[in-house]
Amino acid sequence: GAGVSQTPSNKVTEKGKYVELRCDPISGHTALYWYRQSLGQGPEFLIYFQGTGAADDSGLPNDRFFAVRPEGSVSTLKIQRTERGDSAVYLCASSLDGTAPLHFGNGTRLTVT
Amino acid sequence: AQTVTQSQPEMSVQEAETVTLSCTYDTSESDYYLFWYKQPPSRQMILVIRQEAYKQQNATENRFSVNFQKAAKSFSLKISDSQLGDAAMYFCAYRSAMASYGKLTFGQGTILTVHP
Repeated sequence: GAGVSQTPSNKVTEKGKYVELRCDPISGHTALYWYRQSLGQGPEFLIYFQGTGAADDSGLPNDRFFAVRPEGSVSTLKIQRTERGDSAVYLCASSLDGTAPLHFGNGTRLTVT
Repeated sequence: AQTVTQSQPEMSVQEAETVTLSCTYDTSESDYYLFWYKQPPSRQMILVIRQEAYKQQNATENRFSVNFQKAAKSFSLKISDSQLGDAAMYFCAYRSAMASYGKLTFGQGTILTVHP
């Protein structure tokens, strides 16, 4: 595609529910990153995929957060038992490989009520 | 751990004037990269400029330039001839040379308003 696509653009869910956020990277990009941006803050690194494998998941805050990239393209960030503190914009970025510049998507704004 | 601090929550500038956004960082490493990103209301992060710590020469990209002071751990962004389209949130970011390319540490951001 022309750019990194993230769906949905906005998601409202109730506390305790499960959510999935999707990221479609630029075609051919092997590296994919997830960031979380809380209101009024800069983005915080969550996880980095190189191909299908998570090369660095040191930013995932707890075991309620999980991400997959089964075929090395689309990635899904999964959040279980959502909490109000999970409300944030979740940004995805991809790059041609682990050394190329990042291309960010427009993010998914998650609101947990 | 590295930290990035942007002490100016908001800045404003008149169109065609020059504005400087401040950024300081804390690290014990000698090899790293610094970035300025722009985030308009669309939420997409757009790379404005990058600087390699081993280069003494300050990076420039058209109207955007940086003042990199390694000893002081300071990395400010100067925007010359400001345009209405420059209005956005600006983030300073750090990356260790040892980390994966996309693992960045961001500051809190500075909202830039451009007045016509």
